[in-house]
Amino acid sequence: QSALTQPPSASGSPGQSVTISCTGTSRDVGGYNYVSWYQQHPGKAPQVMIYEVSKRPSGVPDRFSGSKSGNTASLTVSGLQAEDEADYYCSSYAGSNNLVFGGGTKLTVL
Amino acid sequence: QLQLQESGPGLVEPSETLSLTCTVSGGSISNSSYYWAWIRQPPGKGLEWIGSIYHIGRTYYNPSLKSRVTISVDTSKNHFSLKLSSVTAADTAVYYCARLRGSRFDPWGQGTLVTVSS
Repeated sequence: QSALTQPPSASGSPGQSVTISCTGTSRDVGGYNYVSWYQQHPGKAPQVMIYEVSKRPSGVPDRFSGSKSGNTASLTVSGLQAEDEADYYCSSYAGSNNLVFGGGTKLTVL
Repeated sequence: QLQLQESGPGLVEPSETLSLTCTVSGGSISNSSYYWAWIRQPPGKGLEWIGSIYHIGRTYYNPSLKSRVTISVDTSKNHFSLKLSSVTAADTAVYYCARLRGSRFDPWGQGTLVTVSS
């Protein structure tokens, strides 16, 4: 299984919206509605922000939203805030009880 | 509140076996709703799923690591363990344990850095 493809970096100004993509294949992202997104601040463990493509765990601000079209999933952060600056990783179920991560995207709040 | 804590040696010599334990507190590892997982992150790089285990011992491993990985569970101690054999410098990473809830990892342990070096 190959890692999912994410852009290395993304950026936006406070208050703006930014979208991060996560591209896989029909054997992972496109084949299942089991895409998750994780936020990781430097030196910290990742934290789930979105699961099952578009569901938000309790406590995650509704500024974070997820979607999917074909083999590409997306995470949108609206109303950017300084604390949103972090690394973001997508993951997907890949069949046969396997899971795969994306390479990660560094989000910079300008 | 469920918490996970990784423990084990921070330094392993090349060709040896890396061994880590994840202790679960605030909940039972025998809860039938969840799997338990290991994930690693080389310094400055991305996340890699290593494998997952169910409380009855059913395991699933990343195909790229399958030949070197063993994950086990001890329900009496409420912990699960990782063994990675024949390690090289490429196995140097922060190793995380996490609960696998459906297809999402939540929560995660704080992580432990394991360096492979002589």
